[in-house]
Amino acid sequence: GAGVSQSPSNKVTEKGKDVELRCDPISGHTALYWYRQSLGQGLEFLIYFQGNSAPDKSGLPSDRFSAERTGGSVSTLTIQRTQQEDSAVYLCASSLGRGFYSYNEQFFGPGTRLTVL
Amino acid sequence: GENVEQHPSTLSVQEGDSAVIKCTYSDSASNYFPWYKQELGKRPQLIIDIRSNVGEKKDQRIAVTLNKTAKHFSLHITETQPEDSAVYFCAAIRLDSNYQLIWGAGTKLIIKP
Repeated sequence: GAGVSQSPSNKVTEKGKDVELRCDPISGHTALYWYRQSLGQGLEFLIYFQGNSAPDKSGLPSDRFSAERTGGSVSTLTIQRTQQEDSAVYLCASSLGRGFYSYNEQFFGPGTRLTVL
Repeated sequence: GENVEQHPSTLSVQEGDSAVIKCTYSDSASNYFPWYKQELGKRPQLIIDIRSNVGEKKDQRIAVTLNKTAKHFSLHITETQPEDSAVYFCAAIRLDSNYQLIWGAGTKLIIKP
């Protein structure tokens, strides 16, 4: 079946512009995660959506970053007034959700490479 | 909160030899530890995981061991092959919480022919 998809695959923007990154999770997956991966670095958690619950925004680095998930499916990560330090690969992942004592595998998308000039 | 440290940052081994990557965690309540593999230019994929109620888990050439007392867990790859070249990430989480996975910084494994 189809995996997690993200668009665009590459985005080049000028400092100060806003960007929107899109994630289409695997159908039926109730959990959706956004991560940021700078070159040669690890995975930095940004935000987590689980069903209709309030999202966990604890990883967002500043108020320039926001995300929404419409209809429990597609998610959009928005970065306002982009800065050069925002340049990174933004990865989306989805899973079957998370119970209190269970954890389901996260399936990652191919990522969006963001370059801020 | 939880903190995960991963060592080494880069590991180079001869093809056919074994590779070991170690992670330490700080929260003794963490009870689930997955390992993800990210090949160059590709997305991370889960390769093995372990829960705190077991000390070791194997899947063909890969194995993970957990030492709860010392709060560390390790990934072991035997008979390494070129396709094992990748960045490996460990992570830890306390399942009975609302916390998120805490990831290690990654280990770049290079298999020399």
